Amino acid sequence: SQKIEQNSEALNIQEGKTATLTCNYTNYSPAYLQWYRQDPGRGPVFLLLIRENEKEKRKERLKVTFDTTLKQSLFHITASQPADSATYLCALARSGGYNKLIFGAGTRLAVHP
Amino acid sequence: GAVVSQHPSWVICKSGTSVKIECRSLDFQATTMFWYRQFPKQSLMLMATSNEGSKATYEQGVEKDKFLINHASLTLSTLTVTSAHPEDSSFYICSASFRTDSNQPQHFGDGTRLSIL
Repeated sequence: SQKIEQNSEALNIQEGKTATLTCNYTNYSPAYLQWYRQDPGRGPVFLLLIRENEKEKRKERLKVTFDTTLKQSLFHITASQPADSATYLCALARSGGYNKLIFGAGTRLAVHP
Repeated sequence: GAVVSQHPSWVICKSGTSVKIECRSLDFQATTMFWYRQFPKQSLMLMATSNEGSKATYEQGVEKDKFLINHASLTLSTLTVTSAHPEDSSFYICSASFRTDSNQPQHFGDGTRLSIL
């Protein structure tokens, strides 16, 4: 069956460092991969989308890589700030699938001053 | 832009009650809306996909008669949890997208915390 794995343990880092979160998947061939941020008690907020034929995507302090051979995406936040503390979700979609997303359970990031 | 409003944000009610949750796209027309439920520290689980003017498509294992979805307009979808029981207590979240293309982000509401006593 399809499986998306994100590190269930919280990632604790110091302010100013780069945070790297991992998303691995099996039994799936996504056309697109998306990353969302979710704060406690709130709905997810879209951050970045990367296509299967793209290796890397950047937006301000965020960077996403997508390796379809390894079946893995890495999400980086450079110069992290305490305000970046949240749970980050990866989500996969097939093409032509009415934009149906399959979500990972998310990784909680805590950035300490 | 792309604001999705979900109401109510919190519901506490007795077992056997039916609860309606509204999801509105405030500044865009949503071709498709999605309904998810999320248990603590778990991923969002898609319950159903709703297209305006047509019947919702439910995911395997989701009871259609239990979770009634209506998508009457391009800006409003509703989820009714009928005869709710304690096991239905969860965090329900809706999302909307401009088009059905899978390369479009989904815009989420802030969820409804449902607690059935």
